[in-house]
Amino acid sequence: EVQLVESGGGLVQPGRSLRLSCAASGFTFDDYAMHWVRQAPGKGLEWVSGISWNSGSIGYADSVKGRFTISRDNAKNSLYLQMNSLRAEDTALYYCAKDHGDIVVVPAAGAFDYWGQGTLVTVSS
Amino acid sequence: EIVLTQSPATLSLSPGERATLSCRASQSVSSYLAWYQQKPGQAPRLLIYDASNRATGIPARFSGSGSGTDFTLTISSLEPEDFAVYYCQQRSNWPETFGPGTKVDIK
Repeated sequence: EVQLVESGGGLVQPGRSLRLSCAASGFTFDDYAMHWVRQAPGKGLEWVSGISWNSGSIGYADSVKGRFTISRDNAKNSLYLQMNSLRAEDTALYYCAKDHGDIVVVPAAGAFDYWGQGTLVTVSS
Repeated sequence: EIVLTQSPATLSLSPGERATLSCRASQSVSSYLAWYQQKPGQAPRLLIYDASNRATGIPARFSGSGSGTDFTLTISSLEPEDFAVYYCQQRSNWPETFGPGTKVDIK
């Protein structure tokens, strides 16, 4: 059974940093690209970042480019999101999601076939 | 950035009725479009990918169609568990974007 378990969320002051983790199991982690998607309270979904199976291709939404860094450790079956210079508008539930494919590219066939339950990040003073 | 517009914003229907949800892209996304279902307090669940392919385990009452800029998700006969919010997602251009969602609620 595929499982994605996010952790690392919490309350943080504006301008500070936070690192999210996603522990994957039930599939061959290093065969697939992975993504972070966020959802502000009561709002829709926003793609944040994606990383290819070998970290060779990475993409970011403009809203986080230069502040967030995605990475993965295939030996530990883990995905990460380092979030710096956090802003109030970064407040959201952050999901990790598995891609059908192995690389982050557009156009991309397939979709995000498994999602974690999310970890909540609240940016407030 | 490709903008996805979903209509209607809310669809009020009864169990057993047919639901037709629309997703329109601001420019062609070919067939690089997916549909997700989200229930309150739950993560999104993949329903349809590449415009018309049902994901693993998705019931046959869910179907997707369309290409280019106009797409449709059809639920042939609503079951009680289908009342939820539905999002479309395009994977044609950076950044990947989602529509604002259509809420299907019980009439």
